[in-house]
Amino acid sequence: DAKTTQPTSMDCAEGRAANLPCNHSTISGNEYVYWYRQIHSQGPQYIIHGLKNNETNEMASLIITEDRKSSTLILPHATLRDTAVYYCIVRTSNDYKLSFGAGTTVTVRA
Amino acid sequence: DAGVTQSPTHLIKTRGQQVTLRCSPKSGHDTVSWYQQALGQGPQFIFQYYEEEERQRGNFPDRFSGHQFPNYSSELNVNALLLGDSALYLCASSGPRTGTYEQYFGPGTRLTVT
Repeated sequence: DAKTTQPTSMDCAEGRAANLPCNHSTISGNEYVYWYRQIHSQGPQYIIHGLKNNETNEMASLIITEDRKSSTLILPHATLRDTAVYYCIVRTSNDYKLSFGAGTTVTVRA
Repeated sequence: DAGVTQSPTHLIKTRGQQVTLRCSPKSGHDTVSWYQQALGQGPQFIFQYYEEEERQRGNFPDRFSGHQFPNYSSELNVNALLLGDSALYLCASSGPRTGTYEQYFGPGTRLTVT
């Protein structure tokens, strides 16, 4: 059962910010939002996660709406190497598995 | 610091055969998860091993089994292979410092069943 909804694909210009939306309208109070990405021919890579506050690390920023029903992953300065499938996942801290959906295919163009 | 390693990289098997895939976790990690990724789809969770025990299992038949060794490495075994088992098999590890939230994935093993 899909817990998140993401656009199938999106394009982004190199050097510009990429804003990736994710809807998770049925999220529970103890569920976190995680983002992973998978570059072609590689295993998925952890990007960031959050519960209700906005989070930032060296790779990206995660903005979660106040009602927690949606979030946005922001890649501040997209490069060609950011071309990948991006997965938004919700899970509780005691759920060991990651439930991947179809993700968003992001293509960064020069 | 070596990341997650998997072997073999590719292999081809015939329907009905059995296969064993291997995974070595990232240094310092004690937990190994296995995922199956069919072409064009997201990875699907098979199971997770911790302290040499299967801790959680996804919706996969008993033909899929695993093992974790004292050095934390792991094997995935698939019996009675079906054409539909053709996929990329990913291993992911996590550990005390990362907890369960950050799983490090290996490059995968591409299994083709003919």
